[in-house]
Amino acid sequence: QVHLVESAGGVVQPGGSLRLSCAASGFTFNYYGMHWVRQAPGKGLEWVAFIRYDGSTKFYAVSVEGRFTISRDDSNNTLFLQMNTLRTEDTAVYYCVKDGVHDYLWESPYFDSWGQGTLVTVSS
Amino acid sequence: DIQMTQSPSSLSASVGDRVTITCRASQSINVYLNWYQQKPGKAPRLLIFAASNVQNGVPSRFSGSGSGTDFTLTISSLQPEDFATYYCQQSFATRALSFGGGTKVDIK
Repeated sequence: QVHLVESAGGVVQPGGSLRLSCAASGFTFNYYGMHWVRQAPGKGLEWVAFIRYDGSTKFYAVSVEGRFTISRDDSNNTLFLQMNTLRTEDTAVYYCVKDGVHDYLWESPYFDSWGQGTLVTVSS
Repeated sequence: DIQMTQSPSSLSASVGDRVTITCRASQSINVYLNWYQQKPGKAPRLLIFAASNVQNGVPSRFSGSGSGTDFTLTISSLQPEDFATYYCQQSFATRALSFGGGTKVDIK
């Protein structure tokens, strides 16, 4: 079955950087788009970023545009999120999420498999 | 951006009750609406996609309906394991996916 395992998060000072990774298994990784979704403590869910199955297209939430970069390494079935210029409001559990469809251009996306999440705390 | 509004934000119900949660979009999203269940300390779980399609493995007591701007998640007979928070999510605006604020279902 689908298995998504995020790397450990951690505590970062405001203005700092952190790179998250997500090891994927149990499905054909290079056939699906992938997302990052986050959840601040005690709050709701917020979509963060998307990368198309072939890496050709990337979308970002306005709140992270220009600071975060999503990427993928299909040879190692790994998804990444590079987070720069971190702010206190970026404190959240970050989930690696598999899209339920092959290509958003043909079908409407949905989040069909989730990792266990990793906590990123931005604090001085 | 498309705003998603869920109601109620919380509700109390008993085992066996029929529960209905509503989600309203700030503009028409066709049927591009998904529902998730989240239990404390756990990742969300997909229940319904494209408004009314039940994900594999989800009990048949869960159903979804609606189109345009108004959508409903119904649990026909609430079970102990259904006490959780439920989120709707629109996928019409694929460059800016968004969630509703959540509905917490707890025990009366």
